[in-house]
Amino acid sequence: EAGVAQSPRYKIIEKRQSVAFWCNPISGHATLYWYQQILGQGPKLLIQFQNNGVVDDSQLPKDRFSAERLKGVDSTLKIQPAKLEDSAVYLCASSLDPSGKQFFGPGTRLTVL
Amino acid sequence: AQSVAQPEDQVNVAEGNPLTVKCTYSVSGNPYLFWYVQYPNRGLQFLLKYITGDNLVKGSYGFEAEFNKSQTSFHLKKPSALVSDSALYFCAVRGYNFNKFYFGSGTKLNVKP
Repeated sequence: EAGVAQSPRYKIIEKRQSVAFWCNPISGHATLYWYQQILGQGPKLLIQFQNNGVVDDSQLPKDRFSAERLKGVDSTLKIQPAKLEDSAVYLCASSLDPSGKQFFGPGTRLTVL
Repeated sequence: AQSVAQPEDQVNVAEGNPLTVKCTYSVSGNPYLFWYVQYPNRGLQFLLKYITGDNLVKGSYGFEAEFNKSQTSFHLKKPSALVSDSALYFCAVRGYNFNKFYFGSGTKLNVKP
């Protein structure tokens, strides 16, 4: 079974630039999550999709972050403009339903200079 | 407000000894509780979950967790630790309405030969 795919794996940008991350969940998984994991901390949920609808985005900094899940499959997370404090690993996860175990991708390590 | 706390940043145990990694939670309604593990240079992996039923939940790699409603705890346990268990362990909680999901700050487990 193919796992959750993410790209790119690493990204280095300067502050005020924009960046986008892509996630392809496990086939058939209706629930998709984006997390931000800052070094030394636990993952923080940014946004949760159920199919192509947003279930929770209460911790998403909406002035600079946006996410979409067109057609209820792939998803993209965008940051524009980036700040130094956005340096983190961005994790995508998927599950069959909101109560199920989540399968995590390898993450994208973002460095903002 | 929903939250989860892992009071120990690090736990040290000798190989062959029992281990416990502590987790306490705060959530409205009945909680959905999870443990995930993050090995070095590898993605987060699901260990086990509690939704309802028996308070002792068995999971992957010989781990188990005990749900204690009166103490609002969900401690991770293993009868005999292995060096290969050394990793970062995260407790997580989802509220009954499925809209919020929180990870703890993580506990680094060091198992020494």
